Amino acid sequence: QQQVKQSPQSLIVQKGGISIINCAYENTAFDYFPWYQQFPGKGPALLIAIRPDVSEKKEGRFTISFNKSAKQFSLHIMDSQPGDSATYFCAATDSGGSNYKLTFGKGTLLTVNP
Amino acid sequence: GAGVSQSPRYKVAKRGQDVALRCDPISGHVSLFWYQQALGQGPEFLTYFQNEAQLDKSGLPSDRFFAERPEGSVSTLKIQRTQQEDSAVYLCASSRQGYTQYFGPGTRLTVL
Repeated sequence: QQQVKQSPQSLIVQKGGISIINCAYENTAFDYFPWYQQFPGKGPALLIAIRPDVSEKKEGRFTISFNKSAKQFSLHIMDSQPGDSATYFCAATDSGGSNYKLTFGKGTLLTVNP
Repeated sequence: GAGVSQSPRYKVAKRGQDVALRCDPISGHVSLFWYQQALGQGPEFLTYFQNEAQLDKSGLPSDRFFAERPEGSVSTLKIQRTQQEDSAVYLCASSRQGYTQYFGPGTRLTVL
């Protein structure tokens, strides 16, 4: 059972455009939702994260929108740049068990054309 | 400061060999996680340590997988009698305590 579903699998955007990646989750106990960016040959790096008590969080060109009732959250990358070309993963965790293990989506390969 | 380091970065093993993968977490980080990332997939949780205690090993795929963190710092993931399906990138992450996990570069294991 895939607990975090991510779409699209791949995305091509022109420089300056908006990239949008969507995730849906099933476990209502999840209470922390990070997005990770991964370049080839590197480990995932935390980009931005949100908790369900807010509907939106913005950091620079990156924004997370969160819809608790729909159990969905999305990443928006404004003014996309070629350097943003990477694989993006949404994730979720339930801190209730004091574990914080992350459940990841399958990833979105973003290509930003110059 | 230094991030999470992992060694070796690449490992090629013949089927049936034992391998040991090392993780050096960020100094002072209490929590340590191992994840397995298959090609084209997201990381999947393997096991979790808080200091030297292994509190969750629910993600280990079989009893051929074993992890330890004897002094609450460096951790080793050992895979016995490797199989082709074990080929993946093994990621280590550490956390001071709580949500934010910092990942290492991973060890790419190829089993022939």
